[in-house]
Amino acid sequence: EIVLTQSPGTLSLSPGERATLSCRASQSVSSNYLVWYQEKPGQAPRLLIYDASSRATGIPDRFSGSGSGTDFTLTISRLEPEDFAVYYCHQYGSSPYTFGQGTKLEIK
Amino acid sequence: EVQLVESGGGLVKPGGSLRLSCAVSGFTFTNAYMSWVRQAPGTGLEWVGRIKSKADGGTTDYAAPVEGRFTISRDDSKNTLYLQMNSLKSEDTALYYCITRSLTGFWYWGQGTLVTVSS
Repeated sequence: EIVLTQSPGTLSLSPGERATLSCRASQSVSSNYLVWYQEKPGQAPRLLIYDASSRATGIPDRFSGSGSGTDFTLTISRLEPEDFAVYYCHQYGSSPYTFGQGTKLEIK
Repeated sequence: EVQLVESGGGLVKPGGSLRLSCAVSGFTFTNAYMSWVRQAPGTGLEWVGRIKSKADGGTTDYAAPVEGRFTISRDDSKNTLYLQMNSLKSEDTALYYCITRSLTGFWYWGQGTLVTVSS
């Protein structure tokens, strides 16, 4: 099983700052089949990035994904107030599929 | 428009059973790999299991905590995915989502159905 470790667990930043979220896999993620989700209370997760670096339809270009193999990054270039939420990475390159434990992005 | 609508959640006693359904529309269900994901209250997302398309064998894979207790199946004639949950435990209490990946890489989620296991 591929274990995804997200860091940091909590990230405290101010609007306008840059956020860098990490997702490290215990083994290489096949075909870079990794996605990033944003989750807010009471809502289903929202897809941000798929296949490690492709931005989903309707997602602002301040969100970007990068990485390959075992190290992946979600970057939010300039934080907007609505970006403060919990973020998860998820790999579907090999079964069992797995999620990271999440990074909470909070307002400083 | 792609829609995934889960149903069948509710309150069940420990050791009991429940069957969840996920009705799908707006894409070719027959070709889709379908997964179930859950989220216990106040915790993160957990992948439950997946079923491949029948063309790819229709095989299933499960996360370790549910292996042997949960069964995923599909009825392509009804565009419906199922999750049969047996020997339920309190730790199975969660919001259960069905999800799928499109050919273009986009992932679709339902709104979830709540399962509560409690005496």
